[in-house]
Amino acid sequence: NAGVTQNPKFQVLKTGQSMTLQCAQDMNHNSMYWYRQDPGMGLRLIYYSASEGTTDKGEVPNGYNVSRLNKREFSLRLESAAPSQTSVYFCASSEQTVQPQHFGDGTRLSIL
Amino acid sequence: RKEVEQDPGPFNVPEGATVAFNCTYSNSASQSFFWYRQDCRKEPKLLMSVYSSGNEDGRFTAQLNRASQYISLLIRDSKLSDSATYLCVVNSGGYQKVTFGIGTKLQVIP
Repeated sequence: NAGVTQNPKFQVLKTGQSMTLQCAQDMNHNSMYWYRQDPGMGLRLIYYSASEGTTDKGEVPNGYNVSRLNKREFSLRLESAAPSQTSVYFCASSEQTVQPQHFGDGTRLSIL
Repeated sequence: RKEVEQDPGPFNVPEGATVAFNCTYSNSASQSFFWYRQDCRKEPKLLMSVYSSGNEDGRFTAQLNRASQYISLLIRDSKLSDSATYLCVVNSGGYQKVTFGIGTKLQVIP
């Protein structure tokens, strides 16, 4: 049982490059989330998807876009990466709660 | 005042000790509360919910004090494997109002 799977695990980008972080869950959960975690700060919600076909902004959406491709997959895109987006990114899912229940193991992203 | 505040620690305790962490929240209308555990360089994992009547799971006890607006996590008979960062999470209503604390780091020493 894989749970929540994120790819890639590590990535280094140059300022201005774009990339997509992939996330998939196999628990048939309705809700999916993208968070970022920075030193000295709590996890901050970037975007969430309460159900297939819907997405909404979280606390820190600027510079990001998301796609809920189907019930399983929720991707996060950085169109033009900036050093301030250097962070650890976590995807998460939940069945019927507003708080996340299961997290992926994260993507460590460095932007030079 | 931050919405959710935690002492980042670290709390260094010997094996077998009892340790307690508090987490204060600012929104008196907050509805639900949780503790997550995060091991170094790993993902957070839901540890337990915090109910008004308290909640116990083995060596772990979580309590809520609405009057003083804090939640607590008590760990009895600490094990080396309890070493981790414990994140407090407060839900003040809706997806956008789920707030994570910065976490309290616990190091259990042999």
